[in-house]
Amino acid sequence: AQKVTQAQTEISVVEKEDVTLDCVYETRDTTYYLFWYKQPPSGELVFLIRRNSFDEQNEISGRYSWNFQKSTSSFNFTITASQVVDSAVYFCALSEESNYQLIWGAGTKLIIKP
Amino acid sequence: DGGITQSPKYLFRKEGQNVTLSCEQNLNHDAMYWYRQDPGQGLRLIYYSQIVNDFQKGDIAEGYSVSREKKESFPLTVTSAQKNPTAFYLCASSPDGYEQYFGPGTRLTVT
Repeated sequence: AQKVTQAQTEISVVEKEDVTLDCVYETRDTTYYLFWYKQPPSGELVFLIRRNSFDEQNEISGRYSWNFQKSTSSFNFTITASQVVDSAVYFCALSEESNYQLIWGAGTKLIIKP
Repeated sequence: DGGITQSPKYLFRKEGQNVTLSCEQNLNHDAMYWYRQDPGQGLRLIYYSQIVNDFQKGDIAEGYSVSREKKESFPLTVTSAQKNPTAFYLCASSPDGYEQYFGPGTRLTVT
C-alpha cells in the first residue's frame, strides 16, 4: 500500500540556520511522482516541486534543495539560511502512475524564530 | 491571471442548512479536487473529477455532494447530513492528474 511518512511533527530553529524536513514514502509502483507543498498561515497550499521516480537528480532552487534517494525511499527537503517567512507547514505527497490521487504526509510545522 | 478561485473566504451557516462552496479555475485543467482540512491536521480527499460530467468519491464523501457540469467549475455542497462540517475546504485542479494546484480555501463554520 502507498504511504507517506513525515516523522517530524514540528521543527523550530533560529533564523539563518539550515533545516531539513524528512519524507519517507512507500509504493509498489515503479513509476510515481513526489511533491512538496508549503502551507503558510494564510492556508493556501503552494506547490514547491515535483520529482518523477525515474529522475533521481537532486534539485536546487535558491535556498531550497531536495534530495531524492530511491534506495532509502526518501525525498528530503532542505532550507538553507532559513528566514522567518519560511515558517509554514510543509507537506510531502506521493502520486502513483496508476492512481490519480495524492497520498499526503501528515505535514511538518516549521517555526523559524527571529 | 490564471488561477483557482474559491468563494467566499469565510462562510457561516446554521446547523441543518445545506451550503455550497464555489471553486472556479481558468487553467484549462481537466481534473479537479476537493479536500477538507481540520485544525492541525493534514488533507483528506472528499471528491475528485477527472473530466466534465464525471466524478468519484474520495475518502470522506459522506455528507457531501458535487457536480461537474463545466470544465471550469466544481462546486461542493456540504449537506445537513455531514455531522461535523466546520473545517477548512480546499479546492485544487491538475493538468495531468498528478500535480495539483490549490485555491485559497474557504473556512466554513457551522453553529
